[in-house]
Amino acid sequence: QVQLQESGPGLVKPSQTLSLTCTVSGGSISSGTYYWNWIRQPAGKGLEWIGRIHTSGSTNSNPSLKSRVTILIDTSKNQFSLRLTSVTASDTAVYYCARENEVRGFVFDYWGQGALVTVSS
Amino acid sequence: QSVLTQPPSVSGAPGQTVTISCTGNSSNIGAGYDVHWYQQLPGTAPKFLIYGNTNRPSGVPDRFSGSKSGTSASLAITGLQAEDEADYYCQSYDSSLSGLNYVFGTGTKVTV
Repeated sequence: QVQLQESGPGLVKPSQTLSLTCTVSGGSISSGTYYWNWIRQPAGKGLEWIGRIHTSGSTNSNPSLKSRVTILIDTSKNQFSLRLTSVTASDTAVYYCARENEVRGFVFDYWGQGALVTVSS
Repeated sequence: QSVLTQPPSVSGAPGQTVTISCTGNSSNIGAGYDVHWYQQLPGTAPKFLIYGNTNRPSGVPDRFSGSKSGTSASLAITGLQAEDEADYYCQSYDSSLSGLNYVFGTGTKVTV
């Protein structure tokens, strides 16, 4: 059973960089049929796709966040990470990492439990 | 701002059927892109419920079914149960901006 777990600071100051890591267990992050994604959800609001990375290293990001987003993958550690620069209060949210399954039409089929990140001084 | 519109809430008595709509446009659902559905129980991460418009993964009761037509998709829950009380989100791909862009619906709270 694949499991994903987010980790990182729960509090980030405005204008600084938000950094999160997702550790994948129960399966290899190097499988070519999966993409590894970040999705966020502000309290009481809906879901927003942030971006994704493939084991090849290719990335895609939400056009509205693209200039601030970096996603990296470390296959040796079975991890991938998110960096979001120049954060403001509007970036406060629960951040989820999720696996995207190409075989099943690119659905997000496994999710982490989520990590709350608050942007505040 | 989501490009996929869902009703904020729907409700039904146990045993009844409820339907959740997901309305898009010619840049997403209407362009032929797949729609997926997720269930989010209170305080938990979303869980995928329907993939590829109509497909149900193993473990999801057959009370849940998906459909798609034109620029809209729908999720039906038949034989509503108390455990179905949750938020539901549709998701698809949108081609209106340059580059890959996945979009979610606005979300629907189902009350039993």
